Order: sequence, then structure tokens, then C-alpha cells
Amino acid sequence: QQQVKQSPQSLIVQKGGISIINCAYENTAFDYFPWYQQFPGKGPALLIAIRPDVSEKKEGRFTISFNKSAKQFSLHIMDSQPGDSATYFCAASIVNSGGSNYKLTFGKGTLLTVNP
Amino acid sequence: NAGVTQTPKFQVLKTGQSMTLQCAQDMNHEYMSWYRQDPGMGLRLIHYSVGAGITDQGEVPNGYNVSRSTTEDFPLRLLSAAPSQTSVYFCASSYSRLPGVYEQYFGPGTRLTVT
Repeated sequence: QQQVKQSPQSLIVQKGGISIINCAYENTAFDYFPWYQQFPGKGPALLIAIRPDVSEKKEGRFTISFNKSAKQFSLHIMDSQPGDSATYFCAASIVNSGGSNYKLTFGKGTLLTVNP
Repeated sequence: NAGVTQTPKFQVLKTGQSMTLQCAQDMNHEYMSWYRQDPGMGLRLIHYSVGAGITDQGEVPNGYNVSRSTTEDFPLRLLSAAPSQTSVYFCASSYSRLPGVYEQYFGPGTRLTVT
């Protein structure tokens, strides 16, 4: 049973356009939702993350929108650039009582290509 | 800080061979994890550790062993390699005691091929 479903699998956007990647989760105990960016041959790197107490978080051109009732969250990349071309993973976890997380459940990833 | 380091970067094994993937971090993180990444599958948790001497299974633990004798190191052992273990392996670490800090830091990965 896939606990975090990510769509689309691949996405092609023109430079300057908006890239939107969606994720849906099933486990209502999840309370930490990060997005990771991965370039070929590299490990994933945290891009932006959100907790369920807010509906939106913005960092520069990257925004997470979170809908707790629908159990969905999405990544918006504004003014997409060729340098944003990478694989993006959504993930979810439960922040334990110690205040950290160590068991991320990942979506299957979205390959984003931004054409110049 | 070097962050999370993994060795080797590439490895080819024959079916039935054993090997150890090394992972080390110099950030004094308590939590460390191993994931495998397969095409179209995302990353899946193999084993994790919440501190020295404490380990537990993740989603796909079969065929792998781990131990955590120090805070810095978290090796992953393949007992008898199988072609199904061909994958890219990532080690990650995170800090447990800083309020509001939940980021997992990933290493550069080890690409393993089992023939």
C-alpha cells in the first residue's frame, strides 16, 4: 500500500512558467511534509518543508500548499528556470516526541524538465 | 564539516558475495537511516538507528544487516548479494534535539550492481 502518491511522473515546463507537483497521503498521523530535490548522480537535498499547522509556506520561488482535510500537498515552482531541472520527491513522516524524524515515506518522484 | 559521506561510490558484486557499504557523518547526529532508490520507486527505508547501539527495521530490511557502534558510523551489510539488490543506496542523518529542526541530510549514494 503506497502511503504517499505523487503526480505527475514527469513534467515539462517552459522557462518562466509555473511547475506544479502534487502529492496525496493516507496516514493521518503524518505531521511533517518535506520536498526533496535531486540532481543526477547526487543525493536528495531538502528544498522546503511544511507542518500541518499552516496551509502554505513560501521560500523564494518555491511554495508548498497544504490541504489537511483532503490529505494533499503540492509544490509550486514559480518562474521555473532550466537550473530547476531535477527530480523532485515529496515525503512524509511523523515527528516523534523527541522532536525529530528519521523514517521518511517518499513519493515515487517527478522528473521536471525546464526548457530554455 | 564533510556532512554525510558514503563509500564506495560504485560497486559491482557477483550473486552470493557479501559486502559492507560504509556511511559516516561528522555532525553529531543521533538519527541515521539507510534508503534504497530504484527507478520509478522513490526511496524506501531499509534500516534506521536512533542512537549508538539501537537499530530497527524499515520498509525493506530483508537481506541487509546494520549495526551502530558509534554515533558517527552506520554501515550497511549485504549478507549474500542478489540481483534484486541492484540499486542506489543512500545514507541519511538527522539531529534529534534541536526544536523545529527535522531535516534529514543525505549522502552522495553508492551505486551497487549485482550480476
